[in-house]
Amino acid sequence: EDQVTQSPEALRLQEGESSSLNCSYTVSGLRGLFWYRQDPGKGPEFLFTLYSAGEEKEKERLKATLTKKESFLHITAPKPEDSATYLCAVIDYKLSFGAGTTVTVRA
Amino acid sequence: GAVVSQHPSRVICKSGTSVKIECRSLDFQATTMFWYRQFPKQSLMLMATSNEGSKATYEQGVEKDKFLINHASLTLSTLTVTSAHPEDSSFYICSATGGIYNEQFFGPGTRLTVL
Repeated sequence: EDQVTQSPEALRLQEGESSSLNCSYTVSGLRGLFWYRQDPGKGPEFLFTLYSAGEEKEKERLKATLTKKESFLHITAPKPEDSATYLCAVIDYKLSFGAGTTVTVRA
Repeated sequence: GAVVSQHPSRVICKSGTSVKIECRSLDFQATTMFWYRQFPKQSLMLMATSNEGSKATYEQGVEKDKFLINHASLTLSTLTVTSAHPEDSSFYICSATGGIYNEQFFGPGTRLTVL
């Protein structure tokens, strides 16, 4: 069965303190890896799709990278509005989510 | 990104009643829609996949007679929780995609509380 493991579970950052979130996966046939942001009480908001090892995508202070076994979401100089739970998901025939990393950025 | 809406956003019902949740893709035609359930501090768990005009495919452990899914058009899917019980209380989220391996766009979720 596909497995997606995210670490750490929680991350507390000072504003401007860059860091990375990890998503490791085991899937028989990876057809895509997705990153989402979820705010409390809301549905996930799409951030990135990565399809092949070596691929990178950026959006504002976020950058996602992919290897054959894992993906990283780098947050550069975070701001308090970047506080959220970040979810990683992989798809073969269905989307399987990790448990998420809850990021709190303090001003 | 594409916009997906859900209605209602919040519902409280008595045990034994049925509740219907609507999911609409507002600015694109969704060939496939998905229904997820999320318990507090847990990730999303896929309940079922539905394609327009055909029967939904349910994940293992999800009762199809309890969670009725109808995907009547390319922009609307409904989830009906029949004879709801307190253990059905959860956050239900739908998503829609134009292709099964494409990005899924999620609705804002529906908080169901069964008393």
